[in-house]
Amino acid sequence: GAVVSQHPSRVICKSGTSVKIECRSLDFQATTMFWYRQFPKQSLMLMATSNEGSKATYEQGVEKDKFLINHASLTLSTLTVTSAHPEDSSFYICSASDRDQPQHFGDGTRLSIL
Amino acid sequence: KNEVEQSPQNLTAQEGEFITINCSYSVGISALHWLQQHPGGGIVSLFMLSSGKKKHGRLIATINIQEKHSSLHITASHPRDSAVYICAVREKTSGSRLTFGEGTQLTVNP
Repeated sequence: GAVVSQHPSRVICKSGTSVKIECRSLDFQATTMFWYRQFPKQSLMLMATSNEGSKATYEQGVEKDKFLINHASLTLSTLTVTSAHPEDSSFYICSASDRDQPQHFGDGTRLSIL
Repeated sequence: KNEVEQSPQNLTAQEGEFITINCSYSVGISALHWLQQHPGGGIVSLFMLSSGKKKHGRLIATINIQEKHSSLHITASHPRDSAVYICAVREKTSGSRLTFGEGTQLTVNP
């Protein structure tokens, strides 16, 4: 089946550091990739939608300068949390889909900012 | 009121029991997904439905478009089925974007 690889799975870093998370579709072309944030005991919250070769569409309340998304190819999207602070600590998960096909999810990245 | 509502929020069962998780939605959809999230956080897509019923192993998913309701059933439940089960809908007007329910935490005890 379709596989989405997300890396790293866990990051612990100091406040002020920028952190890059990669999301790769391994065996299909991801025309659209989604980035979610999940707080403990809560469901997924969509942060942004990215289409290959175009700018990401951010959800209301999500700072585009804080959460930089790049979708440069049909198999790779990156989320960069710039100048991360403790309140950015969370579980981030990506998904990818090819046109109208189901979304396939990565295993998530647990980000802890000290 | 959420566009996608799941019940129950939490469910504890004994191994071998038949499990049902329900999902109701209030918007027009092109498809409904059932997802499983393991304790480590990874999410697996179990089913995508637009009508009728699908079966995979011990899992069965049904949808009634007229009533805007779907159910996920697990037969002969096992402790390894313990996870969060999430219902998500693809609205007709939103492309491949999903709207998620709050999830159902299932615990199956041996």
